Amino acid sequence: QKEVEQNSGPLSVPEGAIASLNCTYSDRGSQSFFWYRQYSGKSPELIMFIYSNGDKEDGRFTAQLNKASQYVSLLIRDSQPSDSATYLCAVTTERGAGKSTFGDGTTLTVKP
Amino acid sequence: ETGVTQTPRHLVMGMTNKKSLKCEQHLGHNAMYWYKQSAKKPLELMFVYSLEERVENNSVPSRFSPECPNSSHLFLHLHTLQPEDSALYLCASSRGKTGQGSPLHFGNGTRLTVT
Repeated sequence: QKEVEQNSGPLSVPEGAIASLNCTYSDRGSQSFFWYRQYSGKSPELIMFIYSNGDKEDGRFTAQLNKASQYVSLLIRDSQPSDSATYLCAVTTERGAGKSTFGDGTTLTVKP
Repeated sequence: ETGVTQTPRHLVMGMTNKKSLKCEQHLGHNAMYWYKQSAKKPLELMFVYSLEERVENNSVPSRFSPECPNSSHLFLHLHTLQPEDSALYLCASSRGKTGQGSPLHFGNGTRLTVT
């Protein structure tokens, strides 16, 4: 079993739809959870982080965390073609991101 | 210059060569990292340097040798690499493990090809 698993892609949604990206993790001691976006040929950049159970919203993005189910998700509302990228879920047992364990990533394509 | 800067952006080297990757961060962070990104594989942590600790991934071969002379600079020395070491090498920095929610800030990476 992988330490961090993301829903297998690629994921394709029409422009304006909601994109749902999922991630499960195996270490119950995990404290902090990060979503990064990586455009093709570029380095990852932070989208959101979450460490408390529940939802955290930032603009069109909502991160959801359920520690009991060891599950974290990212919802992208009103998806835009510019959201087309690979989304990486990262999990760490520390407060900060340093020694993060990454999932394989889910590639999202938003079609105009 | 701001952020995390890596050089070179691209590197092609033979298996007998010795080369070094350089990383510099201008964010005032106290932790720096080397990650490896291979095709079809998740990002893999290679080394961590911080005020609190130095961590090495025991699965990283000794042909990769890190050096961290201060909190702003990080090097990865390469020697006698193998073709399977071809990958994107990403440097990152952060405020360290105690900064709640402190994310990784990545450089643009060095695309390494070993021939």
